[in-house]
Amino acid sequence: QVHLVQSGAEVKKPGASVNVSCKASGYIFINFAMHWVRQAPGQRLEWLAWINPLNGNTKYSQKFQGRVTITSDTSASTAYMELSSLRSEDTALYFCAKADVGATLGYWGQGTLITVSS
Amino acid sequence: SYELTQPLSVSVALGQTARITCGGNNLETKNVHWYQQKPGQAPLLVIYRDSHRPSGIPEGFSGSNSGNTATLTISRAQAGDEGDYYCQVWDSSTVVFGGGTKVTVL
Repeated sequence: QVHLVQSGAEVKKPGASVNVSCKASGYIFINFAMHWVRQAPGQRLEWLAWINPLNGNTKYSQKFQGRVTITSDTSASTAYMELSSLRSEDTALYFCAKADVGATLGYWGQGTLITVSS
Repeated sequence: SYELTQPLSVSVALGQTARITCGGNNLETKNVHWYQQKPGQAPLLVIYRDSHRPSGIPEGFSGSNSGNTATLTISRAQAGDEGDYYCQVWDSSTVVFGGGTKVTVL
């Protein structure tokens, strides 16, 4: 059974960086892309980026290009998302999601709340 | 960049049919996926590739895609079908979500 377990909630000050991890189990990690999606309170889903763990290739949303970095550690079956230069508008629930049939986001982590506040 | 347009809200009487639309330029040339999200939960895939239901999703969920509009249909709506629904496509190797539609079962 597929499980994606994310790291815990964090509170950060404006200008800081945050790193969120997503540990995968129940499938062969390198065989499926991993996506990162966020959702500000009461707002829509917003896609950030995806990574192919097999070769490390990445694709970023233009909106976050240069401010978000996603990586993966195949030995630990874990994906990481780093967001830098945080501002209050980055306060959101951040999800990792495993690519699935039909290039969907078939399995999701539980979400990590990142709060940016001075 | 590609945009998907959804109505903000849809209401449906208990046991009746709800239809949620998703509009995009030449949308029929893309595969449209639909997610259900309940408060405090991660999204759940309910329809993929326009009209396919993942294992475990009730038969009351169906989808179609023609022209510039994809539609998610919820038949025999139940209270448990309330939530936010998002359409999603791929465009230029990026993921695009619609703005989401809040479904209320009356």
